Amino acid sequence: DTEVTQTPKHLVMGMTNKKSLKCEQHMGHRAMYWYKQKAKKPPELMFVYSYEKLSINESVPSRFSPECPNSSLLNLHLHALQPEDSALYLCASSQDVRIWMNTEAFFGQGTRLTVV
Amino acid sequence: QKEVEQNSGPLSVPEGAIASLNCTYSDRGSQSFFWYRQYSGKSPELIMSIYSNGDKEDGRFTAQLNKASQYVSLLIRDSQPSDSATYLCAVTGANNLFFGTGTRLTVIP
Repeated sequence: DTEVTQTPKHLVMGMTNKKSLKCEQHMGHRAMYWYKQKAKKPPELMFVYSYEKLSINESVPSRFSPECPNSSLLNLHLHALQPEDSALYLCASSQDVRIWMNTEAFFGQGTRLTVV
Repeated sequence: QKEVEQNSGPLSVPEGAIASLNCTYSDRGSQSFFWYRQYSGKSPELIMSIYSNGDKEDGRFTAQLNKASQYVSLLIRDSQPSDSATYLCAVTGANNLFFGTGTRLTVIP
């Protein structure tokens, strides 16, 4: 089973709203990632969690706030977003980001976010 | 900053032909290399991983890695219209996974 589940699949939010994206995996993976993908562009790394600790924050604005409540769950809290934040938000997981042979990453289906 | 470069395409091949996709990377310390397929509007799907120099075959797909030249490629034999997608090369860095810009492949029936 290589399933990563993301909810919701689609989200429309206003610029003053607060919303959260959720990601879940039950593969025992200890690394989880958030990526942002704009149309016709590659996925752009936002955050990496390794063993439930934030290991990488790629200079993401504070209106995006990640959270890793446990080894299976990853959230992305959204607040005061801008229309240019509209994109496909992808969650991924891999067995262990520190061990190069265990870094195969599997993606969820993504959340299509539209900020109005 | 890590760099992963691919020809953006589009690359068009007739059905049944071999499609060849190329990728170069800048970080000599990279140790893991992946090819993902992404259909329009969908998420990336892992199709191949390669860790050592040489070739790795899986069905119609062959990945090739040359660490000295910092080059990784993907060959798709007997291309099918269902192979039409964007192919993303990905390379691991320190606690990270970097993507190239992708190559758009179209297989013409």
